[in-house]
Amino acid sequence: GNSVTQMEGPVTLSEEAFLTINCTYTATGYPSLFWYVQYPGEGLQLLLKATKADDKGSNKGFEATYRKETTSFHLEKGSVQVSDSAVYFCAQDSSYKLIFGSGTRLLVRP
Amino acid sequence: EPEVTQTPSHQVTQMGQEVILRCVPISNHLYFYWYRQILGQKVEFLVSFYNNEISEKSEIFDDQFSVERPDGSNFTLKIRSTKLEDSAMYFCASSPGTGGTYEQYFGPGTRLTVT
Repeated sequence: GNSVTQMEGPVTLSEEAFLTINCTYTATGYPSLFWYVQYPGEGLQLLLKATKADDKGSNKGFEATYRKETTSFHLEKGSVQVSDSAVYFCAQDSSYKLIFGSGTRLLVRP
Repeated sequence: EPEVTQTPSHQVTQMGQEVILRCVPISNHLYFYWYRQILGQKVEFLVSFYNNEISEKSEIFDDQFSVERPDGSNFTLKIRSTKLEDSAMYFCASSPGTGGTYEQYFGPGTRLTVT
């Protein structure tokens, strides 16, 4: 069945470091792909999305490119801030429901 | 900016009791969903709802669960007889479902604790 696999966390970085969180998916067809962020004690917020191959989603300095050939949607940010500390979830749209990865906790130290 | 709201934010109940979790989706959205997240685990799909009926449900969504849209604004999840393992954060979501836009917007969640 369809699934999403994310890199294990936690990822610990110093402020201004480069961030990559890997995400790969398995799917029949070409789903839309999403990154959601969950700040401590809060719900899920849509961070960015891409709906077709080679699309790049971007928001708040985060980017992810839909790579059909590698079935990947890795999240990147050039310079992280302490306020980016959160759990990041990769997800795919499958028959109008979202299938989430297990989440990757990011901790950014000053 | 419109948002999905959920009440209560935290519900404590005893095993075997019925609970109703409430959600107000974004007003012009057509698709509604419930997900749950057991502490420290991934977010899991429970059920989707469209045009006043369930469009899909997961294996988690057994006969103890039901959903309803009792009026034009609320969307509820009922658990008939709660079990300890129902303790989780429950998220409601909605999506426009028109013009090819199916991105889902989530509420802040209801933390359900079953004792």
